[in-house]
Amino acid sequence: GAGVSQSPRYKVAKRGQDVALRCDPISGHVSLFWYQQALGQGPEFLTYFQNEAQLDKSGLPSDRFFAERPEGSVSTLKIQRTQQEDSAVYLCASSLGQGEGQYFGPGTRLLVL
Amino acid sequence: RKEVEQDPGPFNVPEGATVAFNCTYSNSASQSFFWYRQDCRKEPKLLMSVYSSGNEDGRFTAQLNRASQYISLLIRDSKLSDSATYLCVVNSNSGYALNFGKGTSLLVTP
Repeated sequence: GAGVSQSPRYKVAKRGQDVALRCDPISGHVSLFWYQQALGQGPEFLTYFQNEAQLDKSGLPSDRFFAERPEGSVSTLKIQRTQQEDSAVYLCASSLGQGEGQYFGPGTRLLVL
Repeated sequence: RKEVEQDPGPFNVPEGATVAFNCTYSNSASQSFFWYRQDCRKEPKLLMSVYSSGNEDGRFTAQLNRASQYISLLIRDSKLSDSATYLCVVNSNSGYALNFGKGTSLLVTP
């Protein structure tokens, strides 16, 4: 079956620009996660949704980061007024539920100039 | 101190060799443990869950020692296609988010 998909795969933004990253999870997966991965590091947790409810946003680095999943399926991660330190790969993952393995999308590689 | 610590390597081994990776985790309350594999410029892929009794999947064997908070992955009969970064992963205090190690790089050579 189809895995997690993300778009765009690559995004180049000028500093100060707003960006929106999309994630389509595996159908039927209740849990959806966003992670940020810097070069040479493991992914770092950003936020978690159970269906449409955002249960944890403790990993979001600043109030410029905002995520939503209004209908409990597709999710969007928005970054306002991008800064150079936002450059990273943004990974979306979904799972059937808590404690289950998470399946990752291909990521969006964001470069802020 | 990071929640999950791994030796970054790189581990360079010849085809057919057996190689072992270890990691330690700091949260004694963790309940879920995984190994993920990540190829260059690709997303992490779930390799296997790790259970207290130890588990095997083909050439891959995972072990968990809760008392020492230590997880291992053994790869037997290494293939060229095993070359990748192996990420040790433990669930966080929240129970659902995952804490990743930095990964151990493996290069299998002909």
